[in-house]
Amino acid sequence: GQQLNQSPQSMFIQEGEDVSMNCTSSSIFNTWLWYKQDPGEGPVLLIALYKAGELTSNGRLTAQFGITRKDSFLNISASIPSDVGIYFCAGQRHTGKLIFGQGTTLQVKP
Amino acid sequence: DVKVTQSSRYLVKRTGEKVFLECVQDMDHENMFWYRQDPGLGLRLIYFSYDVKMKEKGDIPEGYSVSREKKERFSLILESASTNQTSMYLCASRENARSGNTIYFGEGSWLTVV
Repeated sequence: GQQLNQSPQSMFIQEGEDVSMNCTSSSIFNTWLWYKQDPGEGPVLLIALYKAGELTSNGRLTAQFGITRKDSFLNISASIPSDVGIYFCAGQRHTGKLIFGQGTTLQVKP
Repeated sequence: DVKVTQSSRYLVKRTGEKVFLECVQDMDHENMFWYRQDPGLGLRLIYFSYDVKMKEKGDIPEGYSVSREKKERFSLILESASTNQTSMYLCASRENARSGNTIYFGEGSWLTVV
C-alpha cells in the first residue's frame, strides 16, 4: 500500500537540541496526524491538524499542516531524554482512508 | 479518554495453530482497524471495519480474517499461524470516517510464532 515519505528515518541528538521531522506526499489530505510510540507500546496521538496552513502546539511540540495539503512537519524544542521513541505522521483522506509514514526514530543523548 | 484494549500483550504460538487477537474499545466508535508493525516496514493495514458486521480488506489481508459481531469488539484471526506472522499487532478505533476524527491505538500485541 501507499506510504508517506517521512524524513529523517532516524535522529541521534543531544539533550536540549531542537528536532524537526516532516512528511510529504504526492496527494492531498484533509487531516494530518502526528503520533509518538514508546518502545513496546502502541502509538499515542500528539497533534491533529485539520486545516491547510494550521499551526498547532502541544507543549514543546509544534506541528503544521502544509499550505498545499501535501505535507506536514513536527518540531520538538529543547529535547529531553523521554522524547525518545518513534514518531509517525499519518494523512487522512476525505474517504477516511489513512496513510502512515514509516516513522522517525529519535534517540536523545543526556 | 478513549480506551482501546488488546487482551493479550505477549503471545507465543506454534506454527499451524489458530490464533485469536481480541480488541475492545469503550467509546462506541464505528470504525476499527488491525495493523501489523514490522521494523523498516512501518504500519501496514490488515483489515478494517466501518461498522458492526462489516469488514474490508486492507493492504495485507492474506493469512488473516476478522470478526466484528459487536460494535465494541474487533477480533483478528490467524487461521493457521506461520513464522512470517511473527510481529507486533496494533488495534485502533475511530469514531467514524468523517473529517475531524482521529484514530486511537491500543497498546499492541506481540506475537511470536515458533
